[in-house]
Amino acid sequence: DAGVTQSPTHLIKTRGQQVTLRCSPKSGHDTVSWYQQALGQEPQFIFQYYEEEERQRGNFPDRFSGHQFPNYSSELNVNALLLGDSALYLCASSFLRQGAYGYTFGSGTRLTVV
Amino acid sequence: GDSVTQMEGPVTLSEEAFLTINCTYTATGYPSLFWYVQYPGEGLQLLLKATKADDKGSNKGFEATYRKETTSFHLEKGSVQVSDSAVYFCALLYNQGGKLIFGQGTELSVKP
Repeated sequence: DAGVTQSPTHLIKTRGQQVTLRCSPKSGHDTVSWYQQALGQEPQFIFQYYEEEERQRGNFPDRFSGHQFPNYSSELNVNALLLGDSALYLCASSFLRQGAYGYTFGSGTRLTVV
Repeated sequence: GDSVTQMEGPVTLSEEAFLTINCTYTATGYPSLFWYVQYPGEGLQLLLKATKADDKGSNKGFEATYRKETTSFHLEKGSVQVSDSAVYFCALLYNQGGKLIFGQGTELSVKP
């Protein structure tokens, strides 16, 4: 049984560009949450998706947007990249009714903005 | 707002030493508490959790007890191994289904 799959594993973008990160949740999970983890820091909650809608959002600007598809997979989009957006982006999936009790994290996408 | 504070690292121990990583929290209501572990180059793995006061979470020799009176959830292990070297994060969840709030993480290095 595959866990949470994120792609790509690494990528490098130039300041001002746009990026899309992808997440396939663990089989059977219906909720996807995204976290940003800067180097040497703790993860910070970006937002959570359920039934293709954003349920909750952390303190991130509108440059950060997402989408969830009918198969529960999700994308994180970041526009107008800044150097400070360089981080490990983690996706976590769960059953909605379990909330974060049942989180399974992916290995993340390492984004470097130059 | 809700927050989590962990003891600063890095923590360096010899193999078979006793481990304590302190974690205290500030929250309204009664949050659930978690310890996650992150090995180099990997995502987060749930180590243990506790959902109410006096609950003890345990896994792989690690333990933590939810102490409401001291708002703490300290992580302990009686005998650490080199393979326990990782970064450990304490976290709280206030609303079921909502976001996890993490402490700053504590890096543990265990020497043979």
